[in-house]
Amino acid sequence: DIQMTQSPSFLSASVGERVTLSCRASQNINKYLDWYQQKLGEAPKLLIYNTNNLHTGIPSRFSGSGSGTDYTLTISSLQPEDVATYFCLQRNSWLYTFGAGTKLELK
Amino acid sequence: QVTLKESGPGMLQPSKTLSLTCSFSGFSLSTSGMVVSWIRQPSGKSLEWLAAIDWDGDKYYNPSLKSRLTVSKDTSNTQVFLKITSVDIADTATYYCARSPGSSGWYFDFWGPGTMVTVSS
Repeated sequence: DIQMTQSPSFLSASVGERVTLSCRASQNINKYLDWYQQKLGEAPKLLIYNTNNLHTGIPSRFSGSGSGTDYTLTISSLQPEDVATYFCLQRNSWLYTFGAGTKLELK
Repeated sequence: QVTLKESGPGMLQPSKTLSLTCSFSGFSLSTSGMVVSWIRQPSGKSLEWLAAIDWDGDKYYNPSLKSRLTVSKDTSNTQVFLKITSVDIADTATYYCARSPGSSGWYFDFWGPGTMVTVSS
């Protein structure tokens, strides 16, 4: 199984701050990496697919990058509505696996 | 617009079979490339992909749970089902169904709100 390690587990940041979340795979996942946002009590929502493709309707302050085993989700200017837990998902192997999540809070 | 909604028993006893239904609208599972998956999430924990069925009826399972899972769809291609046999407390979770459009990958672009399942005696 491909293991996905997200860091940090918790992040506290201020409104307007640039935020970077990381996801590392245990092997090359060939950019088959998505990012999901989950607010408390809600279903996950797709933000980014295939490393750097912004899903329809997602604000442009969200962006993704990476290759090989290392991937990043960046929020260019944190907004109050971005408070959530963020999960990465690898789809390179048939056992899709999610990371443990990064919980993002406002400072 | 695309919507999905899960339904299930809410609570069941250990060793029983869990039956879940995903009802959806706004797309047809008969459309080439379309896929519906089941994903679960224990309270406060991460997500686990369980199974998927595609437009052609091909089925895909999480190897660690494969012996207990059965995914199927109805003939009208508007519902997908998941059965999990011999449930135990570890199967307590919120269960989601999600769509993959298939055109550029099997990412999950639409999700249902989830249905909570508690396994308890």
